[in-house]
Amino acid sequence: EAQVTQNPRYLITVTGKKLTVTCSQNMNHEYMSWYRQDPGLGLRQIYYSMNVEVTDKGDVPEGYKVSRKEKRNFPLILESPSPNQTSLYFCASSSRLDRGRDTGELFFGEGSRLTVL
Amino acid sequence: EDQVTQSPEALRLQEGESSSLNCSYTVSGLRGLFWYRQDPGKGPEFLFTLYSAGEEKEKERLKATLTKKESFLHITAPKPEDSATYLCAVPFSSGSARQLTFGSGTQLTVLP
Repeated sequence: EAQVTQNPRYLITVTGKKLTVTCSQNMNHEYMSWYRQDPGLGLRQIYYSMNVEVTDKGDVPEGYKVSRKEKRNFPLILESPSPNQTSLYFCASSSRLDRGRDTGELFFGEGSRLTVL
Repeated sequence: EDQVTQSPEALRLQEGESSSLNCSYTVSGLRGLFWYRQDPGKGPEFLFTLYSAGEEKEKERLKATLTKKESFLHITAPKPEDSATYLCAVPFSSGSARQLTFGSGTQLTVLP
């Protein structure tokens, strides 16, 4: 079954304690991305990766790091979490352009709800 | 600055009561407009892509249309299982077409 898998799904942590949210996709997609979703603000992009070893900042990258060492995995790292990073996080992936046009079809994971105390 | 605005924020319908959701956008050189559905506690699920003004796409009780400034998601004779948050998104005017700017969504509730 084609899917994007995120772990953990739920996490409560404390300020300053480093954590990693893993993301793995089994569709051989080149493009992967991380979003956070907050009430009233919608989905905002944190980081994205066009392919292995190629990553770039999205709208709200401060306080986050990513790496793309393998095509299937795209972990999100919070080196020193703070309460304003309490949010619902989504990983998404996508394939190459279809006949020269982007279908806009992102495949999303189930989400990781993070609470930083 | 690229912007996507959805209205209304929330909509309650009786089963069978048709209505429309709006997505207005300001972006240079539109490369597509995308609709997603999000159920509570789940990630968004792709519905449609529209590329040019006048284009329409349909899926069951949903029909999406596009003009030069906005898109509509028409829901005909909705059922309770259509209850969800509907998101629209457009690619950033600069950068990869897969970098999407999302609207805040319309939360649709269909009452039996």
